[in-house]
Amino acid sequence: AQRVTQPEKLLSVFKGAPVELKCNYSYSGSPELFWYVQYSRQRLQLLLRHISRESIKGFTADLNKGETSFHLKKPFAQEEDSAMYYCALLTQGGSEKLVFGKGTKLTVNP
Amino acid sequence: DSGVTQTPKHLITATGQRVTLRCSPRSGDLSVYWYQQSLDQGLQFLIQYYNGEERAKGNILERFSAQQFPDLHSELNLSSLELGDSALYFCASSLTPSRQGGYGYTFGSGTRLTVV
Repeated sequence: AQRVTQPEKLLSVFKGAPVELKCNYSYSGSPELFWYVQYSRQRLQLLLRHISRESIKGFTADLNKGETSFHLKKPFAQEEDSAMYYCALLTQGGSEKLVFGKGTKLTVNP
Repeated sequence: DSGVTQTPKHLITATGQRVTLRCSPRSGDLSVYWYQQSLDQGLQFLIQYYNGEERAKGNILERFSAQQFPDLHSELNLSSLELGDSALYFCASSLTPSRQGGYGYTFGSGTRLTVV
């Protein structure tokens, strides 16, 4: 069964501190993973996709198949990074869908 | 504007009633997905349509149904509403149901349903 686990519901850091939002997945196939961000209960916006190995707003995420993880990292957090962050797994096959973790609420304090 | 349009933005209705939520996908996208976001359950996948046909079902109650029309817009019908149905309902779209270089989905702004 496919599952995405974000172990931290809440994460609070100070501005300028490093931040890491954890994501672990369980999936028998070849995973495609994403990070979505949601500001103040607005629409979800795609932040990162593992396949592109990009850095958006200073965030990076590396897929570690050995540890089945896709942690999101930023070396210096900013107040505007405060939001809900969702890790998502795209399943394959006929019933393809995005499976989301329960999300981590990041608060960056001044 | 993400290109995915959802109406209405807010909906307040009484228990036992029926409502219809509407979604217009991004231009060119053929696949539509519905998600329910509640405080305790997070984001739950409800159902997916591709080019008018149902492709996948998630945790969708029997009181809920959906369809995708020839112009590709989709409607989610919620009936016999209960207090616990209060949530944000998101629609998302993608070009095809299969992977597209890992582009993921584009989400709409959601419909906030309050059942009183």
